[in-house]
Amino acid sequence: GAGVSQSPSNKVTEKGKDVELRCDPISGHTALYWYRQSLGQGLEFLIYFQGNSAPDKSGLPSDRFSAERTGGSVSTLTIQRTQQEDSAVYLCASSQTLARGLFSGANVLTFGAGSRLTVL
Amino acid sequence: AQSVTQLGSHVSVSEGALVLLRCNYSSSVPPYLFWYVQYPNQGLQLLLKYTSAATLVKGINGFEAEFKKSETSFHLTKPSAHMSDAAEYFCAVSESGSARQLTFGSGTQLTVLP
Repeated sequence: GAGVSQSPSNKVTEKGKDVELRCDPISGHTALYWYRQSLGQGLEFLIYFQGNSAPDKSGLPSDRFSAERTGGSVSTLTIQRTQQEDSAVYLCASSQTLARGLFSGANVLTFGAGSRLTVL
Repeated sequence: AQSVTQLGSHVSVSEGALVLLRCNYSSSVPPYLFWYVQYPNQGLQLLLKYTSAATLVKGINGFEAEFKKSETSFHLTKPSAHMSDAAEYFCAVSESGSARQLTFGSGTQLTVLP
């Protein structure tokens, strides 16, 4: 597609429920990232996928959070047993990674509009 | 370790006035620096990036930023604010040049007054 698509745009759930957030990156982008944006906070890195390599999960805040990327394209971020502190905007981004270490124009992140999660 | 501090979570300027959004960084190596903008209900868009080619970087929509190593700053400016500039602005740093190690500031909400 023309941009990074995320769904749902808004999700309200009850504490303890599981939620799934979807990200459809730009076609051909091999790298995909999930970030969390809490009120008044900067973007917090969650997880990174690069091609067929094992994902970098170093930013996931707890084992209630998981993500997968099927077929090197669409990604789903799952939050189990949601807590009120999980309320935030979850942003997905993709990039077309080129040569190692280069941060060229094509290596810059393109973000989706985000999924706003509210846990009651 | 890399970090970014954006001074002022909210900035208000009059239409036509100078826009100055402050960003200070901490990095153990020469950094890559970025400014992103987020309009309401939209994803982040890259405004400009510094990759050591030139200290004064020009971006889209008339914005520019100057890298000052002595001050560890990368402030964003625009000579004349437009109503359409109202948005949230994020400064970001990467020591390695890798997007997976991008650290964002907490953001500055810019309001443009008529």
